[in-house]
Order: sequence, then C-alpha cells, then structure tokens
Amino acid sequence: AQKVTQAQTEISVVEKEDVTLDCVYETRDTTYYLFWYKQPPSGELVFLIRRNSFDEQNEISGRYSWNFQKSTSSFNFTITASQVVDSAVYFCALKADSSYKLIFGSGTRLLVRP
Amino acid sequence: EPEVTQTPSHQVTQMGQEVILRCVPISNHLYFYWYRQILGQKVEFLVSFYNNEISEKSEIFDDQFSVERPDGSNFTLKIRSTKLEDSAMYFCASSEPLAGGTQETQYFGPGTRLLVL
Repeated sequence: AQKVTQAQTEISVVEKEDVTLDCVYETRDTTYYLFWYKQPPSGELVFLIRRNSFDEQNEISGRYSWNFQKSTSSFNFTITASQVVDSAVYFCALKADSSYKLIFGSGTRLLVRP
Repeated sequence: EPEVTQTPSHQVTQMGQEVILRCVPISNHLYFYWYRQILGQKVEFLVSFYNNEISEKSEIFDDQFSVERPDGSNFTLKIRSTKLEDSAMYFCASSEPLAGGTQETQYFGPGTRLLVL
C-alpha cells in the first residue's frame, strides 16, 4: 500500500519564524518520487519540488529547504524566516514508478501572522 | 511560462445533469490527469490518460465519468449524471514523458469548482 501522512493539520507562526512541515510516506516500490505542492487561498496547486528516491541530497531554494531521509521515510519541508505570503495549505505527495497517480497527504495549513 | 488552463472556473448544476469540464494542458505534454478535492479534504486521483486511452483510474472514476481528448489541445472530463457528492474542485494536470517511460512532474491547472444542487 502507498500512503502519505502529514500529521500536522495546522501550524501557526509569527512572521520571520522558521517552520518545518513534516511528511512521512509508505511505499513498497524501490523507485518513487516525492513532491511538495502549495495551495494558496486562491485554490490552485503550485508545484514546489520533486525528489527521486535514488537522490537523497537535500535541497535549498531561497528560504525553502527540503530534507529527504529514506531511513525514516520522511521528506520534510522547512521555510526559513517565514512571511505572510507563505500562508497556504502545503501538500506532500508520492508517486510510485509503477503508477501514474500522485498520492497526496491530507495537507498542512500554515498560517503566518504578521 | 506555459501553464495548464481550465474552464469554467466555477460551475453550478442540478443533480442529474451532465457536466463537461475542460482543460488545455501544456502544449508539449503527453500525459494528462484529473484529480478532485472535496472541500477541506485531500486531493484525490481520478484518472490518467496517455496516447488517447486511459492509463490508470481510481475507484472513484466509475461509469458516470469519462475523459476525452477531442482535438489536439483540449482534454475533457464528463460527468454524466451528477450527484450531490460530486461537488468538489476538479483539477486537471499534465506532464511530459521522460526517457525510459516514466513521467515528469505533474503541473496543475487552477481548477474548476463544481457545485451540484
């Protein structure tokens, strides 16, 4: 079975705080891909990052960084110095190489207060 | 930057009516998808489409649903007889193929919010 768990339903921080969104996944496939998408209040789904199962290198993009650890089946997302514009629902998703579909977690709603 | 577009942005329909949701995928993409998101819930896969046929579908995608690529640019989702529980945001997505047969990242359109009364 394949599954994505985002245990944090909602997180509230004050602007400029760092925040980490957790994502834990389950899959039996040896090749798979992990994603983060952002859903702002306007409703669209915005692609943030993709990680392949064979590439455990962490990645940093501006204020965003991602920590992929196969040993714990986790793909966590950190926003440094959060801003009000970061307020959104963030979804972690999994795609097995044997399938076409993305399996989404239930999302974490991030509220950044000024 | 190329993007997936969807029309209409909102649709209200009566239970039992047919609706067609339209999508224009990114032009060089070959894989197309529909997902739905019931209000406040997670995004759920409905169907994927490649080479003019369904490549994978979920249990949600029953006989009430169908997909079509009627021309070189549009990709549609038809719901034959809508039910109250079909009310949701419907997202279209597309991806381009990678070497070896796998697919690239799925890029999503802005969604169509469907309300069935």
